[in-house]
Amino acid sequence: AQSVAQPEDQVNVAEGNPLTVKCTYSVSGNPYLFWYVQYPNRGLQFLLKYITGDNLVKGSYGFEAEFNKSQTSFHLKKPSALVSDSALYFCAVRDYTGRRALTFGSGTRLQVQP
Amino acid sequence: SQTIHQWPATLVQPVGSPLSLECTVEGTSNPNLYWYRQAAGRGLQLLFYSVGIGQISSEVPQNLSASRPQDRQFILSSKKLLLSDSGFYLCAWSKGTYNEQFFGPGTRLTVL
Repeated sequence: AQSVAQPEDQVNVAEGNPLTVKCTYSVSGNPYLFWYVQYPNRGLQFLLKYITGDNLVKGSYGFEAEFNKSQTSFHLKKPSALVSDSALYFCAVRDYTGRRALTFGSGTRLQVQP
Repeated sequence: SQTIHQWPATLVQPVGSPLSLECTVEGTSNPNLYWYRQAAGRGLQLLFYSVGIGQISSEVPQNLSASRPQDRQFILSSKKLLLSDSGFYLCAWSKGTYNEQFFGPGTRLTVL
């Protein structure tokens, strides 16, 4: 069965500093990996995805993620955090076969301090 | 461009009352549709998904049901709500099985 782990409930970073939100996954075969962001009382917004190809994926709002097959990780990164990046971030995975829907991690709350 | 709508935005219902939440998608055809529940502002639990009209797959046994009467309409229902049905309900769509999902604004359901 596929699974996703986001080991940090919360990440705190100062505005202007780089940020990393961690995600590790477990699937059968090659994974499809996604990052979403959720602002309070809102739906999830798609940030980026990895399907195949370059291990560094660039997405919306200056975010990027690095796929590491040997470590089964897909960490979300941004070179310079903004206060407006403060939100709840979800990593999700699905594999090539089986379930048609995504498996989401438990979420990581990012707090960017001014 | 595609948009997804959910209504109502908030709902307060007594225990034992029926439920109907609606989701519609515009700007695409034959989308895959999904219902998720998010409890306590964290993890998402997939409730139902549909790959076509009248085709519903249930992920977990529960007090809820789903229907897809039209290509771009997905309805979540219950005959009798339980306290444990409270939560934030999110509808999503995707084009094909392997593409990213796009989420609606959600419905906050409180069962008293």
